[in-house]
Order: sequence, then C-alpha cells, then structure tokens
Amino acid sequence: GAGVSQSPSNKVTEKGKDVELRCDPISGHTALYWYRQSLGQGLEFLIYFQGNSAPDKSGLPSDRFSAERTGGSVSTLTIQRTQQEDSAVYLCASSSSGRALYFGPGTRLTVT
Amino acid sequence: QQQVKQSPQSLIVQKGGISIINCAYENTAFDYFPWYQQFPGKGPALLIAIRPDVSEKKEGRFTISFNKSAKQFSLHIMDSQPGDSATYFCAARGSTLGRLYFGRGTQLTVWP
Repeated sequence: GAGVSQSPSNKVTEKGKDVELRCDPISGHTALYWYRQSLGQGLEFLIYFQGNSAPDKSGLPSDRFSAERTGGSVSTLTIQRTQQEDSAVYLCASSSSGRALYFGPGTRLTVT
Repeated sequence: QQQVKQSPQSLIVQKGGISIINCAYENTAFDYFPWYQQFPGKGPALLIAIRPDVSEKKEGRFTISFNKSAKQFSLHIMDSQPGDSATYFCAARGSTLGRLYFGRGTQLTVWP
C-alpha cells in the first residue's frame, strides 16, 4: 500500500518568508509525528498528533513554528519568517498501533 | 537531556564481520525499543524492535540484545554486507502513544 508522502520534496526559500510543508499519512493511521533532521544530525522531535489534537507540541523550537492536522489525516507544518537555522530535512511519520512509526521521505528545506 | 545515548557515532566493518551498535537509556518507563535504518536521501525505516520482557530478538542477520537491569540494548548485524552501509538509530518510547526518543545515530560503513 501507499506509504507516508510529503510535499514538496525540496523547498528553497528566502530568509523571512513563510513556508508550508505537507504530510499525507498512511490511510487509517491515527497518530502523526513531525521530526527534523539537520545535516548529519539525529532526529529532533517537533510535534505529535493523535487524531486532530496535538497532545505533545513541546518540540516546536519557537512560536514561528506551528502545525495542524485536519480530518485526522493530512498535516501541515508552517514555519513563519524562516531563518537560516531552519534549514533541515523535515520528516513526517505516522502510526496506527502506537508502536511502529512509518516515516515519509522528508522535505529538504533550504533557507537562503 | 539526551533520553537515549547511542555509540559509536561511526563504525567501519569489513564485509562478513559483525557490526555492533550500543544504546543506553535512563527512563524505566520506556517499554518499546526499535531500531531504524536510514539510507541517504530517504526517511528512516523500521528495522527491528523489542520489548523489555524479552532479552533477545533475531530477524535474519539482525539481532537486538536487551539488558533491562543495565538499561542497555544493542543491535548486532551478522555477516555485514556493503548494502548494510547506512545510518542506524536506536529509539525508545514510554507508552503506546507519544513520541519516540531517538539516539544520535551511528553511521555504518561496510567495506567490501
């Protein structure tokens, strides 16, 4: 079946612009996660959704970052007034069992 | 505070050798311990996972050893192959829902 999909795959933006990153989870998966991975670095947790609510948003680095999930499916991660330090690969994952996370291919964000 | 500590940061192994990656955790509430494999340009993919009521789990050439009293777990890759060259992440989770806490990753290179 279809896996987690993310769009765009690559995004180049100018410093100060807003960007929206999209995640389509595996159909039926109730849990959705956003992680960030900087070049050669580990996986930094950003936010977790169960259904449309976000019980854990403690990883969002600043108030420039926000995320929403609608219809228990698609999620959008928005970064306002992007900074160069926001450059990273943004990974989305979904889960049905609360155990295994299935990751998408990521969106590579470059802020110039 | 790093919830899961992973070592080594990088590992070079000869083809046919055994690759061993170690992880340690502090939170005794963790009850699910997966390993993820990530190839360049791809999202992490679940490789193998274990629960703390089991001391060892084997799937093909991949084995997790778990030491609950020491709060340590490790991944063993037997008969390592060049195709195993990737970054490996250990992780832990404390409930059926909620975030996975990841180690910083180990970059494995298997020389032919």
